[in-house]
Amino acid sequence: DQQVKQNSPSLSVQEGRISILNCDYTNSMFDYFLWYKKYPAEGPTFLISISSIKDKNEDGRFTVFLNKSAKHLSLHIVPSQPGDSAVYFCAASARSGGSNYKLTFGKGTLLTVNP
Amino acid sequence: DTEVTQTPKHLVMGMTNKKSLKCEQHMGHRAMYWYKQKAKKPPELMFVYSYEKLSINESVPSRFSPECPNSSLLNLHLHALQPEDSALYLCASSQDYYSAGWNGYTFGSGTRLTVV
Repeated sequence: DQQVKQNSPSLSVQEGRISILNCDYTNSMFDYFLWYKKYPAEGPTFLISISSIKDKNEDGRFTVFLNKSAKHLSLHIVPSQPGDSAVYFCAASARSGGSNYKLTFGKGTLLTVNP
Repeated sequence: DTEVTQTPKHLVMGMTNKKSLKCEQHMGHRAMYWYKQKAKKPPELMFVYSYEKLSINESVPSRFSPECPNSSLLNLHLHALQPEDSALYLCASSQDYYSAGWNGYTFGSGTRLTVV
């Protein structure tokens, strides 16, 4: 039973446009959410995170939105660049649940940004 | 140094072999992790070490044996593996066990393991 779901295996966008990657979760104990980016033959690298007490967090071209009632979050990349082409993983942790050490990951979404 | 280094990058082993995966970090992180990722699946937690002691074992079969010789090193000893154990094994570290949930991890590049 997947607790973090990324239902789009892939997404293709034009350079300069917005990329929107979606993530849904089922465990209401999750209170912190992170996005990781992974290039081929490299490990995942941390991109941006958001606490459940917020609904938005912005870092440069990257913004994460959290809709707690819908158990949904999204990562917006504006403007998208070819170097953003990678697999994006959504992850969640349950700090208050005592398992803050553990990140539960989605399957990932392959983003391709076309020049 | 802001990296987690994993060796080897690729490993092919027979079901009767004994091999080890190695992970090293010099960021002063006190928590280290092994994750397993199969194709088209998310990474799944296997083990957590906190201050060089095994804190969490996510019901991993005994054919996988972790070891943390010091605060910078983490090994995963493999013995009598099955073909279904073929996967990408990722090592990660975090400042400490408690802050991992919001600070996240630093991952290594992984070891691609094939069991034949």
